[in-house]
Order: sequence, then C-alpha cells, then structure tokens
Amino acid sequence: EDQVTQSPEALRLQEGESSSLNCSYTVSGLRGLFWYRQDPGKGPEFLFTLYSAGEEKEKERLKATLTKKESFLHITAPKPEDSATYLCAVKGSQGNLIFGKGTKLSVKP
Amino acid sequence: GAGVSQSPSNKVTEKGKDVELRCDPISGHTALYWYRQSLGQGLEFLIYFQGNSAPDKSGLPSDRFSAERTGGSVSTLTIQRTQQEDSAVYLCASSLALGQNSPLHFGNGTRLTVT
Repeated sequence: EDQVTQSPEALRLQEGESSSLNCSYTVSGLRGLFWYRQDPGKGPEFLFTLYSAGEEKEKERLKATLTKKESFLHITAPKPEDSATYLCAVKGSQGNLIFGKGTKLSVKP
Repeated sequence: GAGVSQSPSNKVTEKGKDVELRCDPISGHTALYWYRQSLGQGLEFLIYFQGNSAPDKSGLPSDRFSAERTGGSVSTLTIQRTQQEDSAVYLCASSLALGQNSPLHFGNGTRLTVT
C-alpha cells in the first residue's frame, strides 16, 4: 500500500534559522513526489514535483531533494511569511495524490 | 487565470439533511479530484473524474456520498442524510490530465459543519 509519512509534525524556528522537513514514502513505482504549502483556510498550493532520485528543485528559500526512500524540504534563512503547513504527496496508481499529514512550520521574528 | 472555484465556502447543516457541494475546475483541465480534510488529519482521497467518468468510487466513505461531473467541467459532491462525522473541509482539485507531469491545483474548499 502506498504510504507517506512526514516529520516532524510541528516545527518552530526563529527567523533566519535554517532547517529541513522530512517526507518518507513507500510506493510501488514512483510516479512523482509533490510538495505543497497550505495556509489556514486555504487549499494546498503547489510548490514542486520531483520524479527521480538525485533530483533537486528550488524556489526562493525552499529546496526540495529526493532519494529512493525520502524527500527533504530544506528551508534556508526562513522568514515569518514561510509559516504554513507543508504537505508531501506521492502519485498513486489512479493518478490521485496520496498525502502525508503535513508539517506545521512556525517562524518567529 | 481563474483557479479552482468551490461553493459554498461554508455550509452548516442539521444532521440528516442532504448537502450539495460544487466545484468549478480550471478551464481545460480534464481531471478532477475530491478530497476531504478533517481537523488534525491528512487529506483523504474520495474520488476522481477523467472527463465525466469516475472509474473508481471505492474511496467514497459510504453510500451516502455520491459525485457527478457534467460537460467535463463542473462537479458536484452530494452527501445524503448527513452525520456529524461528515464535518470536514471538502477540497476539490483539477489537473490537465492524469499524466505524471500534471500537478493538482486545489480550490479553497467547502467547510461543512453538521450540527
């Protein structure tokens, strides 16, 4: 059964304090690993798609990396506006996304 | 351009009543998905459409849930005889196709509260 596990559940950082979020997955044939950002009261917002081990994608202070078993979302020098819940998902055999429960990130000024 | 639009944004209903939730996908997106997000839980996949067809309805929580899509565009999710455990945010997403290069784009959801 395809499964996604994210850690930690919550992460509190000071502004400028870099860190990483983890997403481990088990899937029968990776068809894509997706990162989303979700703000309170909003739907998830697409950030990145990764397809193969060793692939990296960057956007502003965020960098996503992928290995055969997990993905990391690295946040460099975060700002308060980076506070959100970050969701990881893999594409299932039906084309739907299978999501982890997310990491709630809080960045304090 | 316009994103995925869902209505209503909030719905409060009494236990036992039927509710209908609407999703208007991004123009040109052929694939449409419904998810449910409960407090403290991850996104639970309910059903997807490719065009007007829903090949697999096994993700729907019970036979009180049904969904349809007409004209390859707007979709409605209907919950009959609502129960308190149906309270959640119902999210709709669309993508260009079912292919792996098509990320899902989400609406802001309908928050359903069953009293």
